[in-house]
Order: sequence, then structure tokens, then C-alpha cells
Amino acid sequence: ILNVEQSPQSLHVQEGDSTNFTCSFPSSNFYALHWYRWETAKSPEALFVMTLNGDEKKKGRISATLNTKEGYSYLYIKGSQPEDSATYLCAFHNAGNMLTFGGGTRLMVKP
Amino acid sequence: EPEVTQTPSHQVTQMGQEVILRCVPISNHLYFYWYRQILGQKVEFLVSFYNNEISEKSEIFDDQFSVERPDGSNFTLKIRSTKLEDSAMYFCASGERQQETQYFGPGTRLLVL
Repeated sequence: ILNVEQSPQSLHVQEGDSTNFTCSFPSSNFYALHWYRWETAKSPEALFVMTLNGDEKKKGRISATLNTKEGYSYLYIKGSQPEDSATYLCAFHNAGNMLTFGGGTRLMVKP
Repeated sequence: EPEVTQTPSHQVTQMGQEVILRCVPISNHLYFYWYRQILGQKVEFLVSFYNNEISEKSEIFDDQFSVERPDGSNFTLKIRSTKLEDSAMYFCASGERQQETQYFGPGTRLLVL
């Protein structure tokens, strides 16, 4: 059974704060690590697919890093805005087709 | 922007009834998936489908479940005889290439009474 864990489970920040959260995953049989942003009643939105150790990807104020040797990825949000409030999911992708998801980090940004 | 759509958004059914959940994947995608999330738990993989056959399935996907692509645009998940523990949000996803981004629909919330 693959174990993908995310921390913290939930996070409350003030508008303008920068924040980060963690995804840990197995370091063996690694193919890719996916990050999704999921707002209630909407489709999970793909943010990043990361494949190489040391990868760093950026989309606006959101960025992510990847360490495949130690099995973790960080997601950073710079200058959080209320519209960033969502659940952020990571998913581990091994050699097959399936994604194994973490439990998510629920971010709430207060104006 | 193309998106994955799912119908219905909510479905309530009686235990033992058959349900069919429908998905329209993004039109040029070749890989199709079903996942589910039981309330309070992680999103779990059910099945992947390519070239009109199942390519991978999880232990959850037993013979009560089946998938079909009946007409080249729809992708369906059938549960033959629903159980209380099938209550969950069911997500369809599609992808252009294997092992790349999977694009998710908004989900169907299934409640089995």
C-alpha cells in the first residue's frame, strides 16, 4: 500500500501571508508527483506535474519543489489571497496509470 | 477551455439498485479514469481505461463495478447492486497521454440509502 501524506491537514492564514505545505511520498518506483487545487463543488484543477529530482515549478504566486530521493514536495503560496482558499491535493504517480492521493491540505485565507 | 463533465451532480439511490454515472471526457483524450472519495477519506483510484479496455484497476473495483465507452464520447461507471459503503463522490478524469496530467470532472455525489 502506497502511503502519501500531506501536512498540515488545514491551515488558516491572513491575506498577504505566504504559506507552504508538504507532501511526502514513497521514494521508490517514482514516476511523477502531481499537485491539484480543489475548490468545493468544482473540478480539481491541475497545478503542476513534477518528474525530476530538484524540479521547481511556478504558476503565478504558487510554486512547488520536488525531492524524489527523500520523498517530499513543498507547495508555496506567496502573498495569499482569499481566492487561494481551497484544498490542495498531491498525488503520487508510479509506473502504472493510477494516482495515489494524499489527504489534502485545506487552506483558508482570511481577508 | 475544454473540460471534463459529469452527470448527474447528485444521485440518491436505494441499496441494491443499479446506478450508472456518466462522464464526457475531453474530446482528444485517450486515457480515462474513475476515482472516488468517501467522505472524510482520501481520493482513491478505481480504474483506468484505454483503447476500449481496462488497463488497470484497484481492489475496490470488484465485479459489482463496470466501465464502458458506449459511443466514443461518453464514459460510464456502472455499479450493479449498490451498497451503503458505495456512498461517495465519484470523479471521472481523462488524459491525453499515459502518465501525464489527468484532468478531473466536478464529480457525482452518490448517496446509497
